[in-house]
Amino acid sequence: DIQMTQSPSTLSASVGDRVTITCRASQSISTWLAWYQQKPREAPKLLMSKASNLESGVPSRFSGSGSGTEFTLTISSLQPDDSATYYCQQYDTYPWMFGQGTKVEIK
Amino acid sequence: QVQLAQSGAEVKKPGASVKVSCTASGYTFTSYFMQWVRQAPGQGLEWVGIINPSDRSTSYARKLQGRITMTRDTSTSTIYMELSSLRSEDTAMYYCGRVRCSAGRCSDFAYWGQGTLVTVSS
Repeated sequence: DIQMTQSPSTLSASVGDRVTITCRASQSISTWLAWYQQKPREAPKLLMSKASNLESGVPSRFSGSGSGTEFTLTISSLQPDDSATYYCQQYDTYPWMFGQGTKVEIK
Repeated sequence: QVQLAQSGAEVKKPGASVKVSCTASGYTFTSYFMQWVRQAPGQGLEWVGIINPSDRSTSYARKLQGRITMTRDTSTSTIYMELSSLRSEDTAMYYCGRVRCSAGRCSDFAYWGQGTLVTVSS
């Protein structure tokens, strides 16, 4: 199975800060990676697919990059509504796997 | 509009089985795969498996193989996820999510059900 490792597990930043979350795959997945945002008691919300394709309606302060085994999700200017947990998911090979999540808190 | 409506919460005893449904509307049912994801209380997302409603092919998480079965009913546009020999660690919110896959490549992960809470307790 392809293992997905996210870092950090939690981060605390101020409104307006630039925030970066990293996701590493245990083997190459090309760009077959999705990013989700999840708030408590809600279903996951798709932010990005194919590593860098922003989902319609998602604010442009979110961006994704990477290929192969290393990927990043960047929030260019953190907003209060961005307080959530973020997950990466590889969909290159079954079984699809999620990273363990990164909880983003607002200082 | 696309909607995925899941069945209601379940409480089961250890060793029992549970069958959760996900009824699709607003699109051609057999044109999209359905993945299932679960989330134990306070934990992260865990991939459960996926089904192609067109040909009924499935792929499951390795740790659940032997206990999980995904099926579909095209007459009602419903996907079923059945988990047997339930354990306390199966207690989780279970989500279904639509996925478009073609020639082995997938996209369009935006639509999810509201979740079904399965509680396993004696």
